[in-house]
Amino acid sequence: DSGVTQTPKHLITATGQRVTLRCSPRSGDLSVYWYQQSLDQGLQFLIQYYNGEERAKGNILERFSAQQFPDLHSELNLSSLELGDSALYFCASSVDLRGATDTQYFGPGTRLTVL
Amino acid sequence: AQRVTQPEKLLSVFKGAPVELKCNYSYSGSPELFWYVQYSRQRLQLLLRHISRESIKGFTADLNKGETSFHLKKPFAQEEDSAMYYCALSGGYQKVTFGTGTKLQVIP
Repeated sequence: DSGVTQTPKHLITATGQRVTLRCSPRSGDLSVYWYQQSLDQGLQFLIQYYNGEERAKGNILERFSAQQFPDLHSELNLSSLELGDSALYFCASSVDLRGATDTQYFGPGTRLTVL
Repeated sequence: AQRVTQPEKLLSVFKGAPVELKCNYSYSGSPELFWYVQYSRQRLQLLLRHISRESIKGFTADLNKGETSFHLKKPFAQEEDSAMYYCALSGGYQKVTFGTGTKLQVIP
């Protein structure tokens, strides 16, 4: 167990809907990363937050947004969902004292199914 | 732009055979490279990072700056090595880029 928790474990919803995925980092970790893992595209970096502020953006769609709260937990909001958004969404955290070169600790993931 | 390429989607080897999982990268500066592993029904976890220069579970990886490679090697594969392996690159205060992963299947 890495100490990173994600809720919910599974989410089934319909196209056009909006969902929120939640991540709690390891105690003391300041950085949170979000990834999308699909069968055909592997692990895709979406976005990184450091101590409440957005630090880096990857292949994140405009329909998706994230934030990191003062208690350092993070939420990933996915809206106007499409069938292709069905994937496993991972959150990871790191201490990040030296930038993004620290080891990342991954959560168990949230499996999103869009019907 | 930073890029990580893992050319093999699937690598099947017999138990006891040597393993080499390929990783090539593209980055203009001095990268930090990692190998992460995901065993069945488990979360992604760090296997090793090049700056540590350590061997974990018999795996080693050497950074070759001339060939821009960071291949993961093990002399004798074991069944418990079967997993998904991801190579990752970090360029400092920037995003971490993961490769698409290689599934290692060790045949008994």
